[in-house]
Amino acid sequence: KAGVTQTPRYLIKTRGQQVTLSCSPISGHRSVSWYQQTPGQGLQFLFEYFSETQRNKGNFPGRFSGRQFSNSRSEMNVSTLELGDSALYLCASSLASKGAGLSTDTQYFGPGTRLTVL
Amino acid sequence: GQSLEQPSEVTAVEGAIVQINCTYQTSGFYGLSWYQQHDGGAPTFLSYNGLDGLEETGRFSSFLSRSDSYGYLLLQELQMKDSASYFCAVRAITGGGNKLTFGTGTQLKVEL
Repeated sequence: KAGVTQTPRYLIKTRGQQVTLSCSPISGHRSVSWYQQTPGQGLQFLFEYFSETQRNKGNFPGRFSGRQFSNSRSEMNVSTLELGDSALYLCASSLASKGAGLSTDTQYFGPGTRLTVL
Repeated sequence: GQSLEQPSEVTAVEGAIVQINCTYQTSGFYGLSWYQQHDGGAPTFLSYNGLDGLEETGRFSSFLSRSDSYGYLLLQELQMKDSASYFCAVRAITGGGNKLTFGTGTQLKVEL
């Protein structure tokens, strides 16, 4: 089974621009979560999507948004980029379960997209 | 909100045993996970504890005490390839469902 894939792997943007990152989960996985990883802040949860609905959201400004498509593929968008948005953006998929949203399923991470904002 | 504390760095010699502790503060606690991340790589799942006690997976074991809001990862027979960052992560039920919050990570250096 193919793992989680993310595109692009590297991206350089300038302040004020916007960016869209893509994530394809493992086949059969319905939950996709996004994380931002920086040396100072570690891994921070951005949001989780399940069946095209945002199920959870972290403490990030509205410039960060995402969506999930019917095939479970997900995109995240960051508008009006700031220097502090430079980070590794990781996507993770899991089988998850619907209903109460409780999930102890393992998170399978993609290789990440390294975003540099100049 | 949730907060987790783990040591920033641990050094040990090859063949030794090392324990990485994690304390957490959260409401709606559901479980504690551990992930490994090598430099330049993606985090990979190691272990999960939903109940108190020890979970063993090969050379790795993880322990949880819900009453103490404490867990640890135990690595035995350390190998050079175990040099990596190790993250504890709390799964907690929030108003919007549940989410996974990671600690800042412990960098493990294995020396000869």
